[in-house]
Amino acid sequence: EAGVTQFPSHSVIEKGQTVTLRCDPISGHDNLYWYRRVMGKEIKFLLHFVKESKQDESGMPNNRFLAERTGGTYSTLKVQPAELEDSGVYFCASSPGRDRGRRETQYFGPGTRLLVL
Amino acid sequence: KQEVTQIPAALSVPEGENLVLNCSFTDSAIYNLQWFRQDPGKGLTSLLLIQSSQREQTSGRLNASLDKSSGRSTLYIAASQPGDSATYLCAVTDSNYQLIWGAGTKLIIKP
Repeated sequence: EAGVTQFPSHSVIEKGQTVTLRCDPISGHDNLYWYRRVMGKEIKFLLHFVKESKQDESGMPNNRFLAERTGGTYSTLKVQPAELEDSGVYFCASSPGRDRGRRETQYFGPGTRLLVL
Repeated sequence: KQEVTQIPAALSVPEGENLVLNCSFTDSAIYNLQWFRQDPGKGLTSLLLIQSSQREQTSGRLNASLDKSSGRSTLYIAASQPGDSATYLCAVTDSNYQLIWGAGTKLIIKP
């Protein structure tokens, strides 16, 4: 069974440009999460999808970030326009969804390393 | 506001030694606590998940304990191996079902 995949693995863009990150969760997982780790800081929650619906987006830093999960399958996270402080590693995770995350392990992708110059 | 702290930030020990990594959290209202491992350039791998009602979990050479009342968890690694070198992260699931993370402990096992 394929794990969580993320694309691209690395992205280097200039300030003001747009970048779209993609996450493919494990097939059949209803829950999809986005996290971010900026340099030297802890991993921070960004948002949580249950199928195609945003369950919790309280961690989204500002309106330059837009996440979608079309059809409840893969998800995209768009940053427009990118700023220097957006640099970091963006992780995606998924879980089956049977227990609202209380008992479930989240399975993480390898992350996308974003560098904004 | 839940905060998770990991000490030490880095640790280097000779192969074969037993070691303990520490994690503390400020709010005892958690659903569970997890220990993850991150290898350079790779994703996060869940090692152990301890429910709030449990005291410990074991997997192979790893043993994680949880003392919810004092806000502490430890990850014990027995007979360390060079392959154990990685960054170890602790995270709690808070009352909003969000994972709150520590900054991690970078572990180096010297052959």
